[in-house]
Amino acid sequence: GIQVEQSPPDLILQEGANSTLRCNFSDSVNNLQWFHQNPWGQLINLFYIPSGTKQNGRLSATTVATERYSLLYISSSQTTDSGVYFCAVATGTASKLTFGTGTRLQVTL
Amino acid sequence: GAGVSQSPSNKVTEKGKDVELRCDPISGHTALYWYRQSLGQGLEFLIYFQGNSAPDKSGLPSDRFSAERTGGSVSTLTIQRTQQEDSAVYLCASSLAQYRTQYFGPGTRLLVL
Repeated sequence: GIQVEQSPPDLILQEGANSTLRCNFSDSVNNLQWFHQNPWGQLINLFYIPSGTKQNGRLSATTVATERYSLLYISSSQTTDSGVYFCAVATGTASKLTFGTGTRLQVTL
Repeated sequence: GAGVSQSPSNKVTEKGKDVELRCDPISGHTALYWYRQSLGQGLEFLIYFQGNSAPDKSGLPSDRFSAERTGGSVSTLTIQRTQQEDSAVYLCASSLAQYRTQYFGPGTRLLVL
């Protein structure tokens, strides 16, 4: 099956700093989503981005499908950005998502 | 609008008992998914329903697991003869159609003693 690798596994930032999270995948995709899992365990959809670039406030994402990677940018980080960020993809005719192992982000004051 | 809802929020059961977990998808969403999240296995797919098509059961870990979706809306995931390794958070998601954004519910935390 498709492999999804996320880096870095852990990240500690001071409030106000910027960061880039990376997701590499091993096959072409029909769906790629970035999620934020908050401390209560809720998975919050950030972006649906199988290709191209999108922005939503302080967050933006870029997927280069031909090179099989996606990047999530967080600017001016806040403590509420803490949690685990997951990349998930679907490939071929399948709709099921395969998740990466996540990047755990901690934003400190 | 209302998101995906799941019940119960938490479930504690004894090994060998059966459990039923419920998912109410977003109204109008034709696709419904079950995943589970455990410490050892991360987030993994279980089963997928799309309209009236046969479900994709390729992620179910054993024949103790089954799911149904009635009337194209509510879904129930049933685990028979629960084992301790079934302890996990069971997550439901729905999407407007195939290959579209999946929205997740808050999950059911299952603990098998």
